[in-house]
Amino acid sequence: AQTVTQSQPEMSVQEAETVTLSCTYDTSENNYYLFWYKQPPSRQMILVIRQEAYKQQNATENRFSVNFQKAAKSFSLKISDSQLGDTAMYFCAFEVDNAGNMLTFGGGTRLMVKP
Amino acid sequence: GAVVSQHPSRVICKSGTSVKIECRSLDFQATTMFWYRQFPKQSLMLMATSNEGSKATYEQGVEKDKFLINHASLTLSTLTVASAHPEDSSFYICSARDLGLGTEAFFGQGTRLTVV
Repeated sequence: AQTVTQSQPEMSVQEAETVTLSCTYDTSENNYYLFWYKQPPSRQMILVIRQEAYKQQNATENRFSVNFQKAAKSFSLKISDSQLGDTAMYFCAFEVDNAGNMLTFGGGTRLMVKP
Repeated sequence: GAVVSQHPSRVICKSGTSVKIECRSLDFQATTMFWYRQFPKQSLMLMATSNEGSKATYEQGVEKDKFLINHASLTLSTLTVASAHPEDSSFYICSARDLGLGTEAFFGQGTRLTVV
């Protein structure tokens, strides 16, 4: 079984600054995917970024980037130039590379961006 | 990205009645759909996985007779909360994926169920 742990229940950051959200996971699988999802107050789940475990290069999507450390089973999310609209719950998620498998979510980190 | 429409967004029902929640994939064929439950300030807990035309696979601890899932077509899955009670009040979210579109799961907007 896979587990995903987010050790920071809440974080805050000043607008325009950078913040890093932590995520660790535990698995015996070698091929898998990792995701960060954003859940704003509307409750709609939005995919922020995805990382394939077989890729060594860290994924980047505009202001969002990850630090994927496979040996350490760590997958942190860095948000640069934080914006007020980044205020949301952020969930780290894991999926074994087997089409149709479900996502295992971490407990979430509530991020507040302050003006 | 692909769109998943979940309806209704909010529902209030009396204890003992049944409530049906629909999850539709609007522009792709959802070979697999997932139903999650989310308590306030908590993460998403998988309730069940359904494949079109097959019986749903329920997670441990989820009552299949209370949470009835039907995935009759490639674009529609329904979750029926049978004989709802106040403890069933929660936020329910569906997600859908098409194997042909890769590994991304697309989420519905969620349904807030309140049982009074």
